[in-house]
Amino acid sequence: GAGVSQSPSNKVTEKGKDVELRCDPISGHTALYWYRQSLGQGLEFLIYFQGNSAPDKSGLPSDRFSAERTGGSVSTLTIQRTQQEDSAVYLCASSLDRGRNSPLHFGNGTRLTVT
Amino acid sequence: AQSVTQPDIHITVSEGASLELRCNYSYGATPYLFWYVQSPGQGLQLLLKYFSGDTLVQGIKGFEAEFKRSQSSFNLRKPSVHWSDAAEYFCAVGAGDSNYQLIWGAGTKLIIKP
Repeated sequence: GAGVSQSPSNKVTEKGKDVELRCDPISGHTALYWYRQSLGQGLEFLIYFQGNSAPDKSGLPSDRFSAERTGGSVSTLTIQRTQQEDSAVYLCASSLDRGRNSPLHFGNGTRLTVT
Repeated sequence: AQSVTQPDIHITVSEGASLELRCNYSYGATPYLFWYVQSPGQGLQLLLKYFSGDTLVQGIKGFEAEFKRSQSSFNLRKPSVHWSDAAEYFCAVGAGDSNYQLIWGAGTKLIIKP
């Protein structure tokens, strides 16, 4: 079956531009998560959705970052006025529900480079 | 503060040799522990998890891990590595009831020598 799909796989943008990253979770998975992975770092939690609601936005690094999820399915992470420090791999994961008994299924990530 | 430490940034092992990747955690309660693997250009995949019970847990791809409460460790092992095991390995601790509360280690990159 289809796994978690992320697009684009690579994105190069100029500093100051806005970018949108898309995540298509596994069908039926109610929980969806966004992480940022910088070189040599672990996973930095950004935000998660239960259905279309985001109960915890505390991981978003600044107000330039926002995310939404529609129809309990596709999610978009938007970064406005990109900065060079935003360069990283952005990973999306989904799980059947948000409980720790539900394994996370990850997409292959979007590698963002801000020049 | 809750934390996860993977002391080795990278490890090089010969194909066929045994492997142990270290993970130490700091957490006040009984932890929920996970190992994930990330192959090059891929997302992360769950290898194994410990919630309770037997402290030696078996996972996929021939991996196992042992929870040692006295040492606050959850080390990952494999008796004989294959070239396809070359990847980055992440240890994580469940700091609450929900997946979003996972605390992640910085990862250990495994390099396999032919």
